[in-house]
Parts: sequence; C-alpha cells; structure tokens
Amino acid sequence: EAGVTQSPTHLIKTRGQQVTLRCSPISGHTSVYWYQQALGLGLQFLLWYDEGEERNRGNFPPRFSGRQFPNYSSELNVNALELEDSALYLCASSFHSAADTQYFGPGTRLTVL
Amino acid sequence: AQSVTQLGSHVSVSEGALVLLRCNYSSSVPPYLFWYVQYPNQGLQLLLKYTTGATLVKGINGFEAEFKKSETSFHLTKPSAHMSDAAEYFCAVTLTQGGSEKLVFGKGTKLTVNP
Repeated sequence: EAGVTQSPTHLIKTRGQQVTLRCSPISGHTSVYWYQQALGLGLQFLLWYDEGEERNRGNFPPRFSGRQFPNYSSELNVNALELEDSALYLCASSFHSAADTQYFGPGTRLTVL
Repeated sequence: AQSVTQLGSHVSVSEGALVLLRCNYSSSVPPYLFWYVQYPNQGLQLLLKYTTGATLVKGINGFEAEFKKSETSFHLTKPSAHMSDAAEYFCAVTLTQGGSEKLVFGKGTKLTVNP
C-alpha cells in the first residue's frame, strides 16, 4: 500500500513569490494535515482538512491557505513568501479524527532566498 | 494553555545503555498520546500510541512508553540503545481547541548513540 506522497521534494523561491505544495493521502484516509518544521521550532500545526472542509487551523497568517480535493488530495499555498517560511513542510493523513494515527509523508523542503 | 513538553533537546547514550526520553503534557481531559521518530531528511514514523486501556504501550524497534495520569507523563524507554536508534523523537498529544481536535507536538529530542 502506498504511503503519503508529497511533491515537490525540494523548492527554492525568492521573497514575495508564491508556492503550491501537494499531498496525496493514503488510500481510504479522508483527513489531511499540514505542518511546518522550521529549524529550532519543532513541528507547528498549520491546517487540517477532512472531507473537503477546513476543520482546524494553526496560528499562521492568512497567506498560508490550502484546499482539499474530492479525491482527498490536498494543496498548501503560501503567498508573499518571507525568509522565515523556509522550512520542511510535512503532510500527514489519517481517518476522520485527529485522534487517529497520522501517517506522514517525506516532506517538501522549501528554501526562500 | 494546553501543551507538550519534552525535557532535554539533546540526549546522548552509549550503545547498549538505557534510553529514556521524557514527555509531559498539560490537558484538562485524558488525551491520546503518541511518540514519533524522524530520521535525517525523512518524514515522521509512528513508534507507538496510547488511546485507552493498558497504560504500558509497546511499540516498534523495542521502544515502549507508560502513560502516568497522575504525573501527566508519557516517557519513552528502550532497555538497550542501538546505533540505528540515533534520530529525533517527538512526543505528541491530541488536544481539543475551540471544539476541534488537533495533534500538538513537543519540540523534539535528538538522540545520539555513542559506540
């Protein structure tokens, strides 16, 4: 069974640009979560989507947004990139509840110059 | 505020020695508890989790953790460290915020295993 996949694996952007990251969940999972792992800050919860709806949002500005498609895959969009957005962005999937085990993808490494 | 605290950002042990990684949480209701491991340049992998029932939970790679409600702790242990255990370990807790659940992670503990 395929795990959570993310694309691209690496990305380099400059300040002010926009970026879209993609995630495909494990088959049968309806929930997708996004996390930011910046150096020294641990994993910070960004967004949770389930059944196409945003269920919860972390303490991030509105320029971080996303969506979930009918096939449960998801996109994370970051507008007006800032240097501090440089991080590993991890996607995870699970069944409906945040209490269910989340399975993580390998991440997308974003570097903002 | 609800939170997860991992004591010690870096832990170093000798190969064959006991591994003890500490995790404490603050929550007004019994949470679900998880330990994840992250190897360099990889995503997170579930080691073990506690939801209900037996408070001593066994996971993969010889790790186990015990939920102690009175101490609000969920420490991770392994009797004998192996070189391949070198990685970063994250404790996570499901917490309810604004009527919605989310998984909150500790800041991680980097484990070094010395030969």
